[in-house]
Amino acid sequence: EAQVTQNPRYLITVTGKKLTVTCSQNMNHEYMSWYRQDPGLGLRQIYYSMNVEVTDKGDVPEGYKVSRKEKRNFPLILESPSPNQTSLYFCASSPRTGTGDINYGYTFGSGTRLTVV
Amino acid sequence: GENVEQHPSTLSVQEGDSAVIKCTYSDSASNYFPWYKQELGKGPQLIIDIRSNVGEKKDQRIAVTLNKTAKHFSLHITETQPEDSAVYFCAATVSGSARQLTFGSGTQLTVLP
Repeated sequence: EAQVTQNPRYLITVTGKKLTVTCSQNMNHEYMSWYRQDPGLGLRQIYYSMNVEVTDKGDVPEGYKVSRKEKRNFPLILESPSPNQTSLYFCASSPRTGTGDINYGYTFGSGTRLTVV
Repeated sequence: GENVEQHPSTLSVQEGDSAVIKCTYSDSASNYFPWYKQELGKGPQLIIDIRSNVGEKKDQRIAVTLNKTAKHFSLHITETQPEDSAVYFCAATVSGSARQLTFGSGTQLTVLP
């Protein structure tokens, strides 16, 4: 089944303890992205990757890191989590179009609910 | 950059009635406007989109309209059913430029039986 898999689904952690949220897709998509969803703010982009070894900042990148060493994986790293990073996180992927542009019909993962205390 | 505003934040309708969600955007260069539906416990899913060269697009019970002059676009759901209950997000971007999607803040639609 074509899908984007995020792990874990739920995570409670303490301030300052490094954590990684994994994201893997099995559709050979070039484009991958991370979003956070907060009440009243919608989906805000954290980082995105147009292809392997190509990453760029989204609208809210502070406090996050990403890497894209393989096409299928795009982990989100919080080096020193803080309570304001408590949120619902989504990973998304999509193929590039024939002209190299992003195909906006994203496939989203099921989300990771992170609580930082 | 682009700014997308979405209204209302919550909407309750009786089953069988119509629902309308409205979005405005700020960047006149934006030319692609998708709508995503997020069911409880799941990630958003694209349900319909419209490009700036058309004013309306329909797919069964859902339709989207676009007014480029006023820079607003709307989602219309007719004959609503309980399974339409979800959070709906509008978004905007400049297609063909590798620009990222800018999402609205979301609308929680509840269809009452």
